[in-house]
Amino acid sequence: GQQVMQIPQYQHVQEGEDFTTYCNSSTTLSNIQWYKQRPGGHPVFLIQLVKSGEVKKQKRLTFQFGEAKKNSSLHITATQTTDVGTYFCAGRKDTGRRALTFGSGTRLQVQP
Amino acid sequence: DVKVTQSSRYLVKRTGEKVFLECVQDMDHENMFWYRQDPGLGLRLIYFSYDVKMKEKGDIPEGYSVSREKKERFSLILESASTNQTSMYLCASGTGYEQYFGPGTRLTVT
Repeated sequence: GQQVMQIPQYQHVQEGEDFTTYCNSSTTLSNIQWYKQRPGGHPVFLIQLVKSGEVKKQKRLTFQFGEAKKNSSLHITATQTTDVGTYFCAGRKDTGRRALTFGSGTRLQVQP
Repeated sequence: DVKVTQSSRYLVKRTGEKVFLECVQDMDHENMFWYRQDPGLGLRLIYFSYDVKMKEKGDIPEGYSVSREKKERFSLILESASTNQTSMYLCASGTGYEQYFGPGTRLTVT
């Protein structure tokens, strides 16, 4: 079945440093979503990418969808303590498929 | 604001008990999902439903069943709870775009 791998599993950075998490799918995706889960909270939708090579920005967050639509990345510039949490990618294999396959997540810790 | 509520935040059950986890959404979403979340494994889909009385197996349906009698409510049933079902259970709903998650139920089976 479809697998979505995410690395690293954990990253600890100093406040102000950059952070990147990578997501790789074993199959081509129709779209990919990113979610953030704060400690003790539930996943919250951040963004969806659909087009090959698409890049989207949300303030300090940059999301990228690979040309082959099998990988994606989330880059945070100048991390802040509010960025702490676990970031999940979630891929949808077929356009009509309602279910997402989630990656294992990257837990980000930011040292003030 | 979309609201997805789950019946319990914490639940402790004994091995062999039948367990019901309830999820209710207030946004008239067609799709509802049940996931379990375990450290290092991310969110794994157990079952989902795209309409009343309709259900589809996810990636790890063994040991679970579901019920969707009304559009707003999606129940996860553990027929005979086992210790390996100790986990965080998350319900979500959506229209086919983003998913909205409930607060989760941390289930411990002893």
